[in-house]
Amino acid sequence: QSALTQPASVSGSPGQSITISCTGTSSDVGGYNYVSWYQQHPGKAPKLMIYEVSNRPSGVSNRFSGSKSGNTASLTISGLQAEDEADYYCSSYTSSSTPWVFGGGTKLTVL
Amino acid sequence: EVQLVESGGGLVQPGRSLRLSCAASGFTFDDYAMHWVRQAPGKGLEWVSGISWNSGSIGYADSVKGRFTISRDNAKNSLYLQMNSLRAEDTALYYCAKDINFDYGDPTGYFDYWGQGTLVTVSS
Repeated sequence: QSALTQPASVSGSPGQSITISCTGTSSDVGGYNYVSWYQQHPGKAPKLMIYEVSNRPSGVSNRFSGSKSGNTASLTISGLQAEDEADYYCSSYTSSSTPWVFGGGTKLTVL
Repeated sequence: EVQLVESGGGLVQPGRSLRLSCAASGFTFDDYAMHWVRQAPGKGLEWVSGISWNSGSIGYADSVKGRFTISRDNAKNSLYLQMNSLRAEDTALYYCAKDINFDYGDPTGYFDYWGQGTLVTVSS
């Protein structure tokens, strides 16, 4: 079982907004503002979408936003587009024996 | 343009060894920590190991500790993962990933570039 909990799947229609949650503990998500999100299309390498909870790297659409409340971080995608269909993974620094943990991943389907 | 190109994967029997390589270009390699992250078929991402810019600080996931060894050669802009005593559960696509910091364990870090991965299959 992955250290961070994500829903296995979410879906939305083009133009809609969706939110993917990422739940951890006070030792990871809740204890640090160092949550990142990665997008992975089938057969492709992961791509950084959000870092430090809510910051977007240069070149990432402003339709992608991140937030955090307590032990749960969230990725919101607004104005859904067909190209957003992919797997999304959250990651956090953790004070456990291994410094980095990932969520199990969420498959986004654009209907 | 940052490029990370992994190699060295393949089919190996349980208990045997394999060495993965990652060739880096497009950035000053010895300014950054590097990581290995793996993804088992149909599964999520798992952090495997990280190494700081000067090899002074190294870490491993509990699942590979004592069996895998990470190293780097800054003169060759290369990252390595020596995998010994391989098990079926080590079967995965192994990604090389660049950190934004020089210390692999810096909480402010994240993985800003990833390679395409190299597939390791452990089976008899």
